[in-house]
Amino acid sequence: GENVEQHPSTLSVQEGDSAVIKCTYSDSASNYFPWYKQELGKGPQLIIDIRSNVGEKKDQRIAVTLNKTAKHFSLHITETQPEDSAVYFCAALMDSNYQLIWGAGTKLIIKP
Amino acid sequence: SQTIHQWPATLVQPVGSPLSLECTVEGTSNPNLYWYRQAAGRGLQLLFYSVGIGQISSEVPQNLSASRPQDRQFILSSKKLLLSDSGFYLCAWTLRRTYNSPLHFGNGTRLTVT
Repeated sequence: GENVEQHPSTLSVQEGDSAVIKCTYSDSASNYFPWYKQELGKGPQLIIDIRSNVGEKKDQRIAVTLNKTAKHFSLHITETQPEDSAVYFCAALMDSNYQLIWGAGTKLIIKP
Repeated sequence: SQTIHQWPATLVQPVGSPLSLECTVEGTSNPNLYWYRQAAGRGLQLLFYSVGIGQISSEVPQNLSASRPQDRQFILSSKKLLLSDSGFYLCAWTLRRTYNSPLHFGNGTRLTVT
């Protein structure tokens, strides 16, 4: 079946440094890719998304890049802050049934 | 603005007991509704989704069932809980008939089956 692979599973970076999380997907027809942030004890919240007609999207310190040829997309967080510590999930929308396929998540730890 | 409510926030139930988790959405009409489960430290597993009242699609065979008695109400149930039903249950909604509409999650119910 279709799947999304997400790496790394855990990422520890120094406060102020950048963090990059990568995902690859298998459904070549996917054209919507959201990223969610989940804080402890809460539901995931959408932080940024990208559609396949663009290669990059930015929102302040967060950016997402998409390479449709290689079927991978990445989340970039610059100037990391303690409040960025959370679990981040990528997802890809399946063209066949419009359901999201989720990555396994990345636990991001920001070291003071 | 739209809001989603899930309750209870935490629940401890013995094996073999019934379960009922409720989710309601406010501020929108005709949403698509979803139930997800998240095991500790794991990703999101889609359990059920609904595109309308009484319309339920199941993604995985299990001990659970879902119902949608009203447009903005989604209920997750079990007649007899198993230990393996423990986890974090999340309700979510999207706009219906809108391709690639963002998914909005509630704050979840942490279920512990003892």
